[in-house]
Amino acid sequence: DIVMTQSPLFLPVTPGEPASISCRSSQSLLHRSGYNYLDWFLQKPGQSPQLLISLGFNRSSGVPDRFSGSGSGTDFTLKISRLEAEDVGVYYCMQTLQAPPYTFGQGTKLEIK
Amino acid sequence: QVTLRESGPALVKPTETVTLTCTFSGFSLSTPGMCVSWIRQPPGKALEWLARIDWDDSKFYTTSLKTRLTISKDTSKNQVVLSMTNMDPVDTATYYCARIRREFVVAPAGLSYYYYMDVWGKGTTVTVSS
Repeated sequence: DIVMTQSPLFLPVTPGEPASISCRSSQSLLHRSGYNYLDWFLQKPGQSPQLLISLGFNRSSGVPDRFSGSGSGTDFTLKISRLEAEDVGVYYCMQTLQAPPYTFGQGTKLEIK
Repeated sequence: QVTLRESGPALVKPTETVTLTCTFSGFSLSTPGMCVSWIRQPPGKALEWLARIDWDDSKFYTTSLKTRLTISKDTSKNQVVLSMTNMDPVDTATYYCARIRREFVVAPAGLSYYYYMDVWGKGTTVTVSS
């Protein structure tokens, strides 16, 4: 199975400041189509996870454009351009290339500094 | 509007079998490209994918729990059922079901597709204790 590793695991950020989360996979997630099969989820406190980004860069419907995903192969980044209070929670990356089984990262807990 | 709702016992004893039901609306599991997965999350820990069932009744399981899991669907009732045998305290977790849908993309190499989990239920908590 592909192993997903996130960093940092804990991220305090000041509102209005940018935030960046890294996700690394043990194997390339680049599909023959040219897309990377990597999704990002946000689990807000007390809620179920919600899809933010698919294919490494494609924002899900309703996701603010301050969220962006980038990267290719084994290294990916989720960026928040200007943190808002509602962005706190745990962020997970998940690979869908060799899925099933789907594998998640350990999660990055983003809090307000 | 797509919704999913998990249900099942809140407390089970070690060695028992637990049966969880995902009741959904807003889509049909007989539509090509539609799937439902189960994912769990132990308290304070990360998400773990468990199983998936597809519109064509294909079934997939996580390797480590494959011998203990059974997933099935009742298309007429819009339900997906997950059974897990021989429950242990380490199986204490919130269990989520999520819709997975197939999407086609046009790429330089031609038409391709990918699957993504776009809607999740609120989860049901199962505690394993004697």
